[in-house]
Amino acid sequence: KAGVTQTPRYLIKTRGQQVTLSCSPISGHRSVSWYQQTPGQGLQFLFEYFSETQRNKGNFPGRFSGRQFSNSRSEMNVSTLELGDSALYLCASSWGDKASTDTQYFGPGTRLTVL
Amino acid sequence: SQQGEEDPQALSIQEGENATMNCSYKTSINNLQWYRQNSGRGLVHLILIRSNEREKHSGRLRVTLDTSKKSSSLLITASRAADTASYFCAALGGGATNKLIFGTGTLLAVQP
Repeated sequence: KAGVTQTPRYLIKTRGQQVTLSCSPISGHRSVSWYQQTPGQGLQFLFEYFSETQRNKGNFPGRFSGRQFSNSRSEMNVSTLELGDSALYLCASSWGDKASTDTQYFGPGTRLTVL
Repeated sequence: SQQGEEDPQALSIQEGENATMNCSYKTSINNLQWYRQNSGRGLVHLILIRSNEREKHSGRLRVTLDTSKKSSSLLITASRAADTASYFCAALGGGATNKLIFGTGTLLAVQP
């Protein structure tokens, strides 16, 4: 079974631009979550989707948005990029909506550099 | 904000030795998970321990959970150079959510 895939793997943008990152979960998984990882803040939760509905959102500004499609693929968008948005963006998928027993599987991440 | 604080922040040991990492968390949890991350890459799930479990084993890994102290530990026995990575604990809160709150991580270096 193919793992979680994220595209692109690397991205360089300039301040003020916008960016869209994509995540394809493991086949059959319905839940997708996004995390931002930076050296200063560590791993921070961005948002979580289940069956096309956003169930949770982390403490990030409105410039960060996302969506999930009917095939469970998810995209996240960051508008008006700032230097501080440079980070590794990780996507995770799991089968159900209760991770009490579900394992979450992470993709390799998209490394975004904002110049 | 981060749920967990991990201790130590960095650990350097020789191959064959055991490595112990500790994690403390702040709120009630549903389960606690440990992940490994090789330099700048994605996270690999190692082990999940539920709030009603006290100890769990998987190969060379042993995880303990003390909900009264809000702490967990990960023991890697007979370490190998390939175990060199960052290790994170992640707490899952209650309710219908998959939101994980990660600790600060322990950077483990295993010297050959």
